[in-house]
Amino acid sequence: QQKVQQSPESLSVPEGGMASFNCTSSDRNFQYFWWYRQHSGEGPKALMSIFSDGDKKEGRFTAHLNKASLHVSLHIRDSQPSDSALYFCAASELRGSALGRLHFGAGTQLIVIP
Amino acid sequence: AQTIHQWPVAEIKAVGSPLSLGCTIKGKSSPNLYWYWQATGGTLQQLFYSITVGQVESVVQLNLSASRPKDDQFILSTEKLLLSHSGFYLCAWSLWGGVGAETLYFGSGTRLTVL
Repeated sequence: QQKVQQSPESLSVPEGGMASFNCTSSDRNFQYFWWYRQHSGEGPKALMSIFSDGDKKEGRFTAHLNKASLHVSLHIRDSQPSDSALYFCAASELRGSALGRLHFGAGTQLIVIP
Repeated sequence: AQTIHQWPVAEIKAVGSPLSLGCTIKGKSSPNLYWYWQATGGTLQQLFYSITVGQVESVVQLNLSASRPKDDQFILSTEKLLLSHSGFYLCAWSLWGGVGAETLYFGSGTRLTVL
């Protein structure tokens, strides 16, 4: 069973618009989340991590975590064509004093239309 | 600054032939190292990880093996390729330092096509 589910599968937004991604963990132990972005033909790059309830903002990117529902979202404001990429949610659980293996979702393909 | 270099960039190989992919990390001492596999446009599947030289743990069995001959080098190999081995292979590193240090840093990947 996949531990991380993402939606939607794909998303198109106009340039300057807001892009929103959703992610849910099916395992209550998986409460530590990351968002990664992968441009075509490249390796993924980490955008941000979020471990606490509430919002975390980094520039145009805002992540929101609700631990009670194990739901995390990512919002990109003022989307640019360069934001077109595959976005992955990843989650992990605490094992002792460190985190265990990252489990990745299936990804959401974002297309920003100029 | 840390750099991660994967080689080759792309390979086209025949079914049944051997394979060796490599990864080198510079600028970081004793990193955790990982191999991931990705089908075209698909999710990332962890294959192996290593926390120290000479020690490699397998996560999934795909008729592949991995080795860490040096602190900064990670090798993925097989003696006989299958069609199912086609895909994008990614090497990654992370730090060992407790919660918050586990962000993965990926290389540019190797595109493998098995015919």
